[in-house]
Amino acid sequence: AQTVTQSQPEMSVQEAETVTLSCTYDTSENNYYLFWYKQPPSRQMILVIRQEAYKQQNATENRFSVNFQKAAKSFSLKISDSQLGDTAMYFCAFMKPSFTSGTYKYIFGTGTRLKVLA
Amino acid sequence: DAGITQSPRHKVTETGTPVTLRCHQTENHRYMYWYRQDPGHGLRLIHYSYGVKDTDKGEVSDGYSVSRSKTEDFLLTLESATSSQTSVYFCAISRTQETQYFGPGTRLLVL
Repeated sequence: AQTVTQSQPEMSVQEAETVTLSCTYDTSENNYYLFWYKQPPSRQMILVIRQEAYKQQNATENRFSVNFQKAAKSFSLKISDSQLGDTAMYFCAFMKPSFTSGTYKYIFGTGTRLKVLA
Repeated sequence: DAGITQSPRHKVTETGTPVTLRCHQTENHRYMYWYRQDPGHGLRLIHYSYGVKDTDKGEVSDGYSVSRSKTEDFLLTLESATSSQTSVYFCAISRTQETQYFGPGTRLLVL
């Protein structure tokens, strides 16, 4: 069974600094997707970034980028120029397409609570 | 934002009573999901649907049932609520292998 591990329950970073959140996963699959979601105090789950396993190039979305190491099964999120609005819980998620049912089930990590300090 | 609403947004109920949560989408997406979020567990899949009247169990389905009679609505029912079902419940939708988009969540307290 696939598992997703986020080993940092809490982190903090000074405003304008860079922070990296770690995520490791366990799978025997070759075709899958990885995601980072942000959950601010409003509790809304917001997609931050997505990575397809078959792509070697790391995904980037503005100040957010990932370091995807497929062999090491590692998927870390780097936030550059941290802003107060980045304060949130961040969840890493793994998704493997199921072609038998056509569904796409996610497995989430337990989250990292990030606090950006002024 | 994806057009997903959940109702009610907050609910307090008593042990043993039935509870139904509704997820409504305006995106015409095929796939819908119900998750629960608890401290230390992240989000865990309860049930999902891959079409009208097509549903299947997730990893924590005991005590829950679902129904989907039309594309836009996915109902989650707790037949007899227990205190262990106190949680925040999220609905999500996806088109095909697209990203899942989440609703605003429902906070349920079972006394």
